[in-house]
Amino acid sequence: ETGVTQTPRHLVMGMTNKKSLKCEQHLGHNAMYWYKQSAKKPLELMFVYNFKEQTENNSVPSRFSPECPNSSHLFLHLHTLQPEDSALYLCASSQAGTGESYGYTFGSGTRLTVV
Amino acid sequence: AQKITQTQPGMFVQEKEAVTLDCTYDTSDQSYGLFWYKQPSSGEMIFLIYQGSYDEQNATEGRYSLNFQKARKSANLVISASQLGDSAMYFCAMREASNIGNEKLTFGTGTRLTIIP
Repeated sequence: ETGVTQTPRHLVMGMTNKKSLKCEQHLGHNAMYWYKQSAKKPLELMFVYNFKEQTENNSVPSRFSPECPNSSHLFLHLHTLQPEDSALYLCASSQAGTGESYGYTFGSGTRLTVV
Repeated sequence: AQKITQTQPGMFVQEKEAVTLDCTYDTSDQSYGLFWYKQPSSGEMIFLIYQGSYDEQNATEGRYSLNFQKARKSANLVISASQLGDSAMYFCAMREASNIGNEKLTFGTGTRLTIIP
């Protein structure tokens, strides 16, 4: 398998549920990211991990909890979400630190609906 | 202030025509990179083209070219000979020099392009 894989593709959860989003990259990249994409808003960076260490938390509410056990896997643990958290959650990876034109490789996203 | 501005929320273009998607950016860094991504209805963000701030030539990738006007801080995407499969959201993004090391990208709000048969 190649690229960035996100599971599940779709998720419907109640406000009291606990669920996790998974992201896996097979590109040998050293950085991974979570972005939130809501309708009519720019992509919002949530978390950045470099070499498994969190280097950025963009003022994300504590009901979102990231985990990066190794440089190939990234999780987003969700609990007591609000309806406004419904969005497309995109995972991306990159080879950070090179300054080259690699940009990001994105997964297909998880479409989350909070009911 | 927004760092990436895409002023066209939606565009309709006849098939086989060329289309220009606008992007302006704001940065005080001398070194930066500009990216365009395509997002079909499936949700995946697909990398299209990259322009470095020190690149003197406009970037080209097949039917995609980037019209880079540094003094005006614009990085418009040009798609030649549009096809029905080009219908998607298109995002302009920027990586600033201060972000080398974590490669953080800032995105615009996007332009929804619809190709009409």
